[in-house]
Amino acid sequence: EAQVTQNPRYLITVTGKKLTVTCSQNMNHEYMSWYRQDPGLGLRQIYYSMNVEVTDKGDVPEGYKVSRKEKRNFPLILESPSPNQTSLYFCASSLGGGGGSYTFGSGTRLTVV
Amino acid sequence: GQQVMQIPQYQHVQEGEDFTTYCNSSTTLSNIQWYKQRPGGHPVFLIQLVKSGEVKKQKRLTFQFGEAKKNSSLHITATQTTDVGTYFCAEVRYNFNKFYFGSGTKLNVKP
Repeated sequence: EAQVTQNPRYLITVTGKKLTVTCSQNMNHEYMSWYRQDPGLGLRQIYYSMNVEVTDKGDVPEGYKVSRKEKRNFPLILESPSPNQTSLYFCASSLGGGGGSYTFGSGTRLTVV
Repeated sequence: GQQVMQIPQYQHVQEGEDFTTYCNSSTTLSNIQWYKQRPGGHPVFLIQLVKSGEVKKQKRLTFQFGEAKKNSSLHITATQTTDVGTYFCAEVRYNFNKFYFGSGTKLNVKP
């Protein structure tokens, strides 16, 4: 089944403790992206990647890192999480290069205390 | 960056009533995609509109792209409780690989 897999689904952590949210897609998509969703603010893009080793900042990149060493994986790294990063996070992928819609992962609900 | 304005933010309807959400832009849109996010779920792609004046239907859902490609709408006829969720529009600029999402319209349907 074509899908984007995110892990974990839920995470509660403490301020300053590094964490990684994994994202993997099995559709050979070139384009991958991370979004955060907060009430009243819609979907805001954190980082995106157009292909392996090609990443770029979205609208709200501060406090986040990403990497794209393989086409299928696009982990989101919070080096020193803070409470304002408490949010619902979605990974998404698309064909890129001129076509396609997003396939979203199921989401990761992160709470930083 | 590019802004796609979506209205209304919330809509409460009685089951059986119609519902419409609108996406507007001050500039010409390349194309529009529509997504639905059920409560507790993730956004799911519904449809893409590309041509000026395009109209597409999916059962009770009708999607339109304005003649000037500056607005789009999603209309649901005779809502059902299964229509509950948040509907997002997104402009996709493939040359920049950018998706610009509207803020979404949250639909609640009372049985």
